[in-house]
Amino acid sequence: DSGVTQTPKHLITATGQRVTLRCSPRSGDLSVYWYQQSLDQGLQFLIQYYNGEERAKGNILERFSAQQFPDLHSELNLSSLELGDSALYFCASSPGTSGAGTQYFGPGTRLTVL
Amino acid sequence: AQSVTQLDSQVPVFEEAPVELRCNYSSSVSVYLFWYVQYPNQGLQLLLKYLSGSTLVESINGFEAEFNKSQTSFHLRKPSVHISDTAEYFCAVRLADSGGGADGLTFGKGTHLIIQP
Repeated sequence: DSGVTQTPKHLITATGQRVTLRCSPRSGDLSVYWYQQSLDQGLQFLIQYYNGEERAKGNILERFSAQQFPDLHSELNLSSLELGDSALYFCASSPGTSGAGTQYFGPGTRLTVL
Repeated sequence: AQSVTQLDSQVPVFEEAPVELRCNYSSSVSVYLFWYVQYPNQGLQLLLKYLSGSTLVESINGFEAEFNKSQTSFHLRKPSVHISDTAEYFCAVRLADSGGGADGLTFGKGTHLIIQP
């Protein structure tokens, strides 16, 4: 158990809909990262937050957005969903922003878009 | 931009045999190197990482990886595998600190290690 929690575990929705994925980092960790794992693209970094502020953007679509709240939990919002958005979405956390720091991954949310 | 290549998508090996999972990376700047493992239906767990110093790094469960700067490689090895090592293994890089730490991990496509009894 990494200490990172993600809800829900599974999510099934239809094209065009909007969903919100939630992540609670390990106690004391200030950085939160979101990753997408799909069969064709593999594991891709989406976005990073540090202590409430956006820190870095990866391959995140404009239809996707995220935020980190004062209690440090984070939410990833996916809108106008397409079939290709079906994937496993992982959240990870680390104490700070050091590139050397270990990122601890949650169990993931499996999103299925029908 | 950085990239990571894992040359083998699947590696079948017999129990108690040695194994090597290959990883090559490309980057114009210094990077840190990581191996993560993903067991079925679970998230990723850090196996080991190379930051600096000795080029050979070891994990607590018998895996080791060697950083080779000239060949831009970070291959993972284990002298004797067990059924419980069956998993997906991901090699990853991240930019070495330059006052930022403002990026994520760049992963390879993964190698599925299949242990045969």
